[in-house]
Parts: sequence; structure tokens; C-alpha cells
Amino acid sequence: GEDVEQSLFLSVREGDSSVINCTYTDSSSTYLYWYKQEPGAGLQLLTYIFSNMDMKQDQRLTVLLNKKDKHLSLRIADTQTGDSAIYFCAETRGSARQLTFGSGTQLTVLP
Amino acid sequence: NAGVTQTPKFRVLKTGQSMTLLCAQDMNHEYMYWYRQDPGMGLRLIHYSVGEGTTAKGEVPDGYNVSRLKKQNFLLGLESAAPSQTSVYFCASSDSPPGLRREYNEQFFGPGTRLTVL
Repeated sequence: GEDVEQSLFLSVREGDSSVINCTYTDSSSTYLYWYKQEPGAGLQLLTYIFSNMDMKQDQRLTVLLNKKDKHLSLRIADTQTGDSAIYFCAETRGSARQLTFGSGTQLTVLP
Repeated sequence: NAGVTQTPKFRVLKTGQSMTLLCAQDMNHEYMYWYRQDPGMGLRLIHYSVGEGTTAKGEVPDGYNVSRLKKQNFLLGLESAAPSQTSVYFCASSDSPPGLRREYNEQFFGPGTRLTVL
């Protein structure tokens, strides 16, 4: 089910910032993740944030977490054509350490 | 290290045929997962395993069976394929890295198997 929600598409110009948004429903989630999927490939972890943090920065990536609103965002600064991919947010659930994924946001970077 | 590998990469089946998808990982991970990916629906968990000899149902288990006889391998079987099972199938594995909480779950994904059922 769509317990983790994302918009399906985002287009930005090369050099601009991209912001991909995600809402989740499980307030007990301890870790939230952003995965990247390049065409024809599997998913790869991009970054993660622990639930007691509001923000995490990693080079061009900034993750913001608003626990009150159950909102997670990923900002990519100076977006490049190589950033074109599908981005999935995910949360850890269950004792078996399952991940629940959003539907994915297709980011297209225009020259 | 090869990481997570999947066999085959592509397959076309006729309705009613059976097949097995193989996932192998060389990272000595305890946890392994099978997902299907359909357009606009993200990844949905089919079955998973928390260790050798164990399997459990995920979100969409109907029509699939799994086995984990060896720690490094996780097999997904379709006994009687249906067109609704046309999808891209991903295998993933994970473990508990030291220094992070037990709930931390970075999963390592294989390249996927594209299955078409006619």
C-alpha cells in the first residue's frame, strides 16, 4: 500500500537545486532512507537520517526531517545530468527489518 | 566482491509455465529479500528471509514461493506464471553493521530480472 507517498515526476534545469518530497505514516520509524535507481539498475542507498535528527548534510545532498508532519525531503544542490534517476524514500518497519518504499520520483535534469 | 547477483536477467514465460529466479550474495548477509517493481508502485516485498533455512511472507506473496537452503542463496519460484506477474524482480540483502542501531537496514540490491508472462 501507499503508506509512503511521493510525487511521481520532477524536472529541473542543470545547475538548479532539486527538492524531492516524501510523506510517511509510521511515527515509530527509526531510520528513513533515500535510495537512487539509475536506468536498468538496482537501487543504491544514497543517504539516510536517524529519527532524532532534523537535518543531515552530505556534500550536495541535504535531508530534512519533520517528525511532527511526518515529512522527509531530499535536496540536491547544483543538480547535474548524472543525477537523473528515480529516487525512493523508505522507512524501516518491523522486527525483521523490512523497508517500506514510496512509489519513487523520476528526476529529469534538463540541459 | 560481486555483491548481489541475479539470474537470469531477462525471461519470457507463457501463462502456466514455472520458473525459478536465483539470487546470490557474497557479503555473508543474514537477511535477504525479494521485491517486485511495477510502474508507479515502488517496490513491494514478496518474501524475505532472516537467516539460512527461514522464510516469511511479505506484502504480496501470493503466487510465489521461496527457499533459503544456503545462506548465500535465496530462490524465488513461480509455480504457474500469470500475466499479472509480469514485472521487474529485485533481490536484496542486508545485515546489522556495528556502531548503528539494530533497526538500521541498508539493503544491497541486485541488478534485477525483467520477467514477461504472455
